[in-house]
Amino acid sequence: DADVTQTPRNRITKTGKRIMLECSQTKGHDRMYWYRQDPGLGLRLIYYSFDVKDINKGEISDGYSVSRQAQAKFSLSLESAIPNQTALYFCATRGSGNYGYTFGSGTRLTVV
Amino acid sequence: QKEVEQNSGPLSVPEGAIASLNCTYSDRGSQSFFWYRQYSGKSPELIMSIYSNGDKEDGRFTAQLNKASQYVSLLIRDSQPSDSATYLCASPSEGYQKVTFGTGTKLQVIP
Repeated sequence: DADVTQTPRNRITKTGKRIMLECSQTKGHDRMYWYRQDPGLGLRLIYYSFDVKDINKGEISDGYSVSRQAQAKFSLSLESAIPNQTALYFCATRGSGNYGYTFGSGTRLTVV
Repeated sequence: QKEVEQNSGPLSVPEGAIASLNCTYSDRGSQSFFWYRQYSGKSPELIMSIYSNGDKEDGRFTAQLNKASQYVSLLIRDSQPSDSATYLCASPSEGYQKVTFGTGTKLQVIP
């Protein structure tokens, strides 16, 4: 099993729908992150969390919300999806003292 | 100004040549840097990290850091077609709470 698992792998949804992307990890890391990736714009940070009670906004948090249900689970929600949220979304984890990320395999989201 | 900048490429090199990928950064306080490799449609994979001035070698990969000039580079010796990917430069920011990524350089190794 993958260290960082994202579900779903692909999703097509309609404008205005609520959608949740889920991330779970088995690495025991306390730090979890959500990024989106768009061509030419690279990886941009949406939200990050250092533990269950710690949630922080990244550079592009508008239109998104997150929930850290447990140390191992970090979900990203789009309350009312819009077409410019079409992107590849990555969850990542990082342990304390180790600054390299472990990424999940990504969720390709299309909003029509 | 973006904190970490890379040329988007594509950088094309023949098989067996040395590929040189470069990254500049604006935060003089940055202490560490990472190189990730990302195949098309896949997730980024950490391949090198460097924390001090000079060179760090790992197999065919060498990372170079020059803090005075604020650039970091990745050299790939004996490039193979399997090295064709986008390479992302990254650096911790805001007191190491998160990592800022460059937009990546696409490398094409021509057989």
